[in-house]
Amino acid sequence: DTGVSQNPRHKITKRGQNVTFRCDPISEHNRLYWYRQTLGQGPEFLTYFQNEAQLEKSRLLSDRFSAERPKGSFSTLEIQRTEQGDSAMYLCASSPSGGANYEQYFGPGTRLTVT
Amino acid sequence: AQKITQTQPGMFVQEKEAVTLDCTYDTSDPSYGLFWYKQPSSGEMIFLIYQGSYDQQNATEGRYSLNFQKARKSANLVISASQLGDSAMYFCAMREGLGYTDKLIFGTGTRLQVFP
Repeated sequence: DTGVSQNPRHKITKRGQNVTFRCDPISEHNRLYWYRQTLGQGPEFLTYFQNEAQLEKSRLLSDRFSAERPKGSFSTLEIQRTEQGDSAMYLCASSPSGGANYEQYFGPGTRLTVT
Repeated sequence: AQKITQTQPGMFVQEKEAVTLDCTYDTSDPSYGLFWYKQPSSGEMIFLIYQGSYDQQNATEGRYSLNFQKARKSANLVISASQLGDSAMYFCAMREGLGYTDKLIFGTGTRLQVFP
């Protein structure tokens, strides 16, 4: 049973460029989440999916951010016209639908640096 | 208002000793879950322990236990017999309204350092 994987692990981009991150959840997990973590802070919720349906989006998710999970398996998070304030660790997590404790399993994260 | 408060930015503990990491929370929802995660320097969040708001007993998982005091809205993590590998950031998190929203709300974390 492989865990949640994220690619790339590190991304350096210039301000104004677009970037896309990929998350592959644990195979039998229906729920997929994206969080952002800046230095010295805990992760902040961005959005989550139940299968292919995006059920909740944070107000942190500006119009420059878009997330998809087209076939209910992997997900992508795209940031358009990146800004220096987008520099952060982007974490993906998954969990099975239902479950007594609703634990979320996290991937290793993608660290984005915008120069 | 902060929903999850972790007042200890850093803690030191000697190997084999017990340590308590504090967490208080704020919610008006009667249904919620409380979680603790460990984040080593590699960055991955590792689930440690869960406590549901209706659970009558404090949760335990190996060397981890959760001291749940509902009236005080606190959910402190106790690590017994600390090991050098326990050195990491520890985050307390809450999920409100189980079944209606799925997001975790995290605190700012406590950095634990275990010394020999």
